[in-house]
Amino acid sequence: DQQVKQNSPSLSVQEGRISILNCDYTNSMFDYFLWYKKYPAEGPTFLISISSIKDKNEDGRFTVFLNKSAKHLSLHIVPSQPGDSAVYFCAASGDGGSQGNLIFGKGTKLSVKP
Amino acid sequence: ETGVTQTPRHLVMGMTNKKSLKCEQHLGHNAMYWYKQSAKKPLELMFVYNFKEQTENNSVPSRFSPECPNSSHLFLHLHTLQPEDSALYLCASSPSHTQETQYFGPGTRLLVL
Repeated sequence: DQQVKQNSPSLSVQEGRISILNCDYTNSMFDYFLWYKKYPAEGPTFLISISSIKDKNEDGRFTVFLNKSAKHLSLHIVPSQPGDSAVYFCAASGDGGSQGNLIFGKGTKLSVKP
Repeated sequence: ETGVTQTPRHLVMGMTNKKSLKCEQHLGHNAMYWYKQSAKKPLELMFVYNFKEQTENNSVPSRFSPECPNSSHLFLHLHTLQPEDSALYLCASSPSHTQETQYFGPGTRLLVL
């Protein structure tokens, strides 16, 4: 059973608008969450992270929100740009991440149209 | 070279072949990881090394054999693979094997015939 779920396999957004990518998790022991972006033929690139002691972390156009009670996090990209078109992976670790075991979702493919 | 590099980028092998994937990180990190990404599946952690010692083997078949001679290099030796092992194999590193961001290489696209 998947512990990290990205229920939308794809998302299409107009340039300049907000992109919202969602992620749900089931393990309440998870205490650190990350978003990675992946272009074709490249490895995932770290984008932004959030610790469970926070509910929001912002870095430029990217903001991650964490709702611990709902076991839900989201990545907001605003304004969206065509170069943001990629697959976005949500990942989580828990128990202090003592085993370095990041659990990944299946990813959401974002397409930003000019 | 900077970051995490992987060679080869593409590999085609038969089921009786022996091949090795190489990963090198230039970030001064102490932990390294092998992941497998199959089509329509999440990234699956295979192995974790911390200071050259294997700290996790995520129930990986013995036809995959990792080797970590030092904190900068990680190998994945492949032997008698199956077609279902065809996937993207990603290497990553992090400062330590605890709760910190992992940095990925570009991956090796493996096809087993």
